[in-house]
Amino acid sequence: DAMVIQNPRYQVTQFGKPVTLSCSQTLNHNVMYWYQQKSSQAPKLLFHYYDKDFNNEADTPDNFQSRRPNTSFCFLDIRSPGLGDAAMYLCATSSGGRSFEKLFFGSGTQLSVL
Amino acid sequence: GQQLNQSPQSMFIQEGEDVSMNCTSSSIFNTWLWYKQDPGEGPVLLIALYKAGELTSNGRLTAQFGITRKDSFLNISASIPSDVGIYFCAGQGGGADGLTFGKGTHLIIQP
Repeated sequence: DAMVIQNPRYQVTQFGKPVTLSCSQTLNHNVMYWYQQKSSQAPKLLFHYYDKDFNNEADTPDNFQSRRPNTSFCFLDIRSPGLGDAAMYLCATSSGGRSFEKLFFGSGTQLSVL
Repeated sequence: GQQLNQSPQSMFIQEGEDVSMNCTSSSIFNTWLWYKQDPGEGPVLLIALYKAGELTSNGRLTAQFGITRKDSFLNISASIPSDVGIYFCAGQGGGADGLTFGKGTHLIIQP
């Protein structure tokens, strides 16, 4: 059974039209991450939540926002998608404690911007 | 920021051959991990390494945490078709910081 679930698997949006990607987890993990992965590149961390504490990476554009209304769910909001934002967006979780480093990834949402 | 250099970028091998790939860093990491990613899927953890010098196996996979804490390698013995995919090394300095990923090694196996 999938433990980190991302919806939808494929998302198409228009240039400048806000879009929200969702992630849910059944692992009850403290930490949830959002990564951006462009074709043939490594995943790049955008931000993470440790419980309700939001931690933004210094180079994450303001166009990207996140919400975590409860332990199980985390959302990625792209306020005004540009063509350069087309990518795979990966959600991941970790339990914290001694296991911060063991990230469990969802299957990703492939975002296309027209 | 921290950077990982992963090599080779791609490998074309025959089924049954052994595979070796490695990652080096200019920074020290407390943890090294190796992930495999299939097309259209998220990365899946293969091996996690926690101590300098540690050598860990997972079936046909073996990985080592370098003594200097700045490098790691992954070996795959007797490759099979399902080994095809992209292999990422990742390092973590500690705390809740996310992982720093290498750029990946794309493994292609010819029957």
